[in-house]
Amino acid sequence: GAGVSQSPRYKVAKRGQDVALRCDPISGHVSLFWYQQALGQGPEFLTYFQNEAQLDKSGLPSDRFFAERPEGSVSTLKIQRTQQEDSAVYLCASSGGTGPFDYGYTFGSGTRLTVV
Amino acid sequence: AQSVAQPEDQVNVAEGNPLTVKCTYSVSGNPYLFWYVQYPNRGLQFLLKYITGDNLVKGSYGFEAEFNKSQTSFHLKKPSALVSDSALYFCAVRDAWTGNTPLVFGKGTRLSVIA
Repeated sequence: GAGVSQSPRYKVAKRGQDVALRCDPISGHVSLFWYQQALGQGPEFLTYFQNEAQLDKSGLPSDRFFAERPEGSVSTLKIQRTQQEDSAVYLCASSGGTGPFDYGYTFGSGTRLTVV
Repeated sequence: AQSVAQPEDQVNVAEGNPLTVKCTYSVSGNPYLFWYVQYPNRGLQFLLKYITGDNLVKGSYGFEAEFNKSQTSFHLKKPSALVSDSALYFCAVRDAWTGNTPLVFGKGTRLSVIA
């Protein structure tokens, strides 16, 4: 597609519910990143895929967070047993490169998750 | 480890005046530096980048940034601010020599341009 698409745009979850957030990157983009942006803060790295391989998941805050990209295109970020501290905007970004000349990302509009 | 500091949470400037949004960085090698802008309920939009070459980088919407290696800074500037420039601005860095490591973002600076 023309841009990075994320769905849903807004999600309200009751504490303890599981949620799944979807990211559809720009067609052909090899690299895909998930970031978490708390209110009033900058984006914090969660995890990174190169094609279907999850190369870095060092930013996932707990084992309740899980991400996948099984066919190297669409990615899903899953949060199990949501907690109030999970409330944030979850941003997905994709990039066409994989090496040191991979200069920057195209971001989606994000999914705003509110846990009540 | 890479890091970015944006020392100002908020910058206020009158329309038509020049603006500067400050950014300093820390990387072990050479930096790739970026500025992004975020409008309400929108994702981050790319403004400009420094990879190599001229220290003064020109980007979208009349913005520019100056890379200063000795001061490890990459301040964002615009000669004449517009009300429509009011938004949240993020500086980001990655190390040029460590492969496809994720961008590290600063906490952001809210720019308010007053008519």
